[in-house]
Amino acid sequence: GESVGLHLPTLSVQEGDNSIINCAYSNSASDYFIWYKQESGKGPQFIIDIRSNMDKRQGQRVTVLLNKTVKHLSLQIAATQPGDSAVYFCAERGSYQKVTFGTGTKLQVIP
Amino acid sequence: DTAVSQTPKYLVTQMGNDKSIKCEQNLGHDTMYWYKQDSKKFLKIMFSYNNKELIINETVPNRFSPKSPDKAHLNLHINSLELGDSAVYFCASSHENGRFPVNSYNEQFFGPGTRLTVL
Repeated sequence: GESVGLHLPTLSVQEGDNSIINCAYSNSASDYFIWYKQESGKGPQFIIDIRSNMDKRQGQRVTVLLNKTVKHLSLQIAATQPGDSAVYFCAERGSYQKVTFGTGTKLQVIP
Repeated sequence: DTAVSQTPKYLVTQMGNDKSIKCEQNLGHDTMYWYKQDSKKFLKIMFSYNNKELIINETVPNRFSPKSPDKAHLNLHINSLELGDSAVYFCASSHENGRFPVNSYNEQFFGPGTRLTVL
């Protein structure tokens, strides 16, 4: 079946260091990928997206890398700040334009 | 101004009751969604509507019935509530410009969530 999964359920990072959150997906037909950030008690918030015809996209302090060969997606956060503490979800758009979310990774920033 | 709003934020009810959750978006989007997030934070889409037309209907019990009176509203009605319905329900919207099938290259904006607790 189609699935989106994450390697690390919890990631602890020292403030100021870079964070890398990984995601594996299995649907090779997925054409669009999104990273969301969810803070406690709030709804998911869009961070960055990437289409399947790209392998890298940069935003402000965030970079998404897509490796279609191994079906791997990663989110890199530069100079991680306490405000980055949240649960991060990768999501893919696959068959029938349905967006499927991964299981989430909790990022803990240590001051 | 809140872009996507949901009411109520918290809903505690007894098993067997019928309840509704309301969602409104003021972004002018034409596509709206309902997601369910369980205790392990897993987010799963339930329904999506594009211009009031049902687009996605996942394997959800027919006790759940979405209703879209207009493009800005998508309400979720749940009959005969069960313990397993306890979760956080999120509404979301996106701008698909009326295209069908919907083009999810446009980001979805999520509401703050409704925490449903069934006792």
